[in-house]
Amino acid sequence: SYVLTQPPSVSVAPGKTATIACGGNDIGSKNVHWYRQKPGQAPVLVIHHDSDRPSGIPERFSGFNSGNTATLTISRVEAGDEADYYCQVWLTGSDHRGVFGGGTKLTVL
Amino acid sequence: EVQLVESGGGLVQPGRSLRLSCEASGFTFSNFAMHWVRQTPGKGLEWVSGISWNTDTIDYADSVKGRFTISRDNAQNSLHLQMNSLRPEDTAFYYCAKSNGIDDHYFDYWGRGTLVTVSS
Repeated sequence: SYVLTQPPSVSVAPGKTATIACGGNDIGSKNVHWYRQKPGQAPVLVIHHDSDRPSGIPERFSGFNSGNTATLTISRVEAGDEADYYCQVWLTGSDHRGVFGGGTKLTVL
Repeated sequence: EVQLVESGGGLVQPGRSLRLSCEASGFTFSNFAMHWVRQTPGKGLEWVSGISWNTDTIDYADSVKGRFTISRDNAQNSLHLQMNSLRPEDTAFYYCAKSNGIDDHYFDYWGRGTLVTVSS
């Protein structure tokens, strides 16, 4: 089965840059999507297709995907960015299914 | 404004059944695939099932295959999940999510979720 691996936690000071990794076998050949989830709320899409931002998501959010690692980068981190972040891919071929990473808790110091 | 509103959650005994529903509005429901994603309280997200706009393609996670059935009613803008033979490990918040993909699904809108608790 296909597994996406994320670090459980990342900490960053306000105004600095946070990078959250998502590892998977040859993930660079897949489209990676990222979600932010704040406590008690539903997930919100922040990046789709590796690096595209939905409307309403600040330019501070960016993504990259190559080889075996995809990354979500948040520049000029704000207190309001503190949340859980999940990566996701859709598997095709004979086994269609969605796969999420385990999630990363972003703490703003 | 896109809205997805789940209902049907609650407390159910192991082995029993429950049917979840999701009422959609604010977009042309019949044009988009829809999915269910669940989250055990305090844990991560798990994709459960998805159904194409025309019901031609239906997919399930291995953990629910043979027990859960996804369906949709495009005339009523509604999505459903029939859950049979429920197990304690099915306890979770169940989210309805709209897909913005065809062959590569990602979820651009989510409902607020409905809690299913499986316990004796």
